[in-house]
Amino acid sequence: QKEVEQNSGPLSVPEGAIASLNCTYSDRGSQSFFWYRQYSGKSPELIMFIYSNGDKEDGRFTAQLNKASQYVSLLIRDSQPSDSATYLCAVTSYNTDKLIFGTGTRLQVFP
Amino acid sequence: SAVISQKPSRDICQRGTSLTIQCQVDSQVTMMFWYRQQPGQSLTLIATANQGSEATYESGFVIDKFPISRPNLTFSTLTVSNMSPEDSSIYLCSVPRGLAGGPDEQFFGPGTRLTVL
Repeated sequence: QKEVEQNSGPLSVPEGAIASLNCTYSDRGSQSFFWYRQYSGKSPELIMFIYSNGDKEDGRFTAQLNKASQYVSLLIRDSQPSDSATYLCAVTSYNTDKLIFGTGTRLQVFP
Repeated sequence: SAVISQKPSRDICQRGTSLTIQCQVDSQVTMMFWYRQQPGQSLTLIATANQGSEATYESGFVIDKFPISRPNLTFSTLTVSNMSPEDSSIYLCSVPRGLAGGPDEQFFGPGTRLTVL
């Protein structure tokens, strides 16, 4: 079983819709959860992080964490074509800064 | 967030040769990380570079193949030795934001795109 799993996509949504990206993880000791956005040919860019169960909102982005079910999700409201990218889920375990990445979900937002 | 630069940004190398990649940060950081992203794949951690001690390598990566230096708190190098086409990847360094923002929010350099012929 992979440590961090994501659907590779592509996930296609129309402009203005809500894009929902999901991630599951296997290590119950995971403490911190991150969403990175990576445009083609570029390095990953941190867009959200969450440490506690529940929702965390930042502009059009909402991260949701459910440790009991071992999943974390990212919602993008009012999706724009500029949101088209690969979204990487990453987790760290207790007392370590090592990031374990999922394989990423490619999001396509069409006009 | 820290400003991270990497050199070279890209290179094309012949098999059997070695390439040293540099990572420079504009502020002092305790840990620096080196990742590899193979074509179409996600990121895999190669090693953690700590100043003043040997790097810590992840499973599947060895010092002879990927020697790392960390001479000070703002700089690190990763060498890809005796390269083969399978080493063609993007190599990225990353640093944590630091204590003020949380110990494990990491920011990535622009990456080095390596092609081995």
